[in-house]
Amino acid sequence: GAVVSQHPSRVICKSGTSVKIECRSLDFQATTMFWYRQFPKKSLMLMATSNEGSKATYEQGVEKDKFLINHASLTLSTLTVTSAHPEDSSFYICSRDREGADTQYFGPGTRLTVL
Amino acid sequence: GNSVTQMEGPVTLSEEAFLTINCTYTATGYPSLFWYVQYPGEGLQLLLKATKADDKGSNKGFEATYRKETTSFHLEKGSVQVSDSAVYFCALRGAAGNKLTFGGGTRVLVKP
Repeated sequence: GAVVSQHPSRVICKSGTSVKIECRSLDFQATTMFWYRQFPKKSLMLMATSNEGSKATYEQGVEKDKFLINHASLTLSTLTVTSAHPEDSSFYICSRDREGADTQYFGPGTRLTVL
Repeated sequence: GNSVTQMEGPVTLSEEAFLTINCTYTATGYPSLFWYVQYPGEGLQLLLKATKADDKGSNKGFEATYRKETTSFHLEKGSVQVSDSAVYFCALRGAAGNKLTFGGGTRVLVKP
C-alpha cells in the first residue's frame, strides 16, 4: 500500500490566493522529505528538501518566499504556494527516503491549476 | 551538474512486443541509477536499480544494465503487456548526497 500520501490530489484556485498541499509519511517517521515540481512532458525538478524542526533547503532558483515549506512533525510536511499565479500551475510531488536504501517513496502528486 | 536524458514518447506498442527506452546520463563520480514507473493515478514506484558499473537491475521482466563506458542505462522488456502502460523515468543519485536527478519521462502505451 501507499506509504506517502498527498492532499489534495487536485486543486483549482484563483490568481492571488494561497494554496496548501499536505504530504504525509504513513508508515515511517521521516526527518527529511522532498518536494518536486513536474511540468507537462518534463522531468521532475527538485524544489526543496524539507527538514523536520528546521528550515527547508531550497534548490537554486526556487523562491523560498513563494513556496513555503513547513515540516512540523515527523509525518507531515506542507507546501504552501503563496499568491499563486497561472505560471505556478503544475504537478507537485513529495517523497521521503526509503529506509535502509538509496532511493525514495513518492506521493501520488497534486495537480495545481491557477486561473 | 548531473543530468539524465531519456527518449521522448509516447511509445505505442502491441502486446508481446519488445520495449526499449534509452537513457543516458552525465554525472561526476559513480552515481546509482534507477528506473521508476508511474502508473495512471499513482505515485512513482521504483522499478529497478543498479549501483555500480556492469550491474544489471531487473524486476517484473524489465532489465537495465549500468554501462559506464557509454554512460547509459537503457530499459528493456522482451514481451510487454497492456498492464505495462505507464510513464517510465530514468534517474540517478550522485555519489554524494541523497538528491535524485530525473529524466523527462517516457510514456508507454501497450495496445491489446
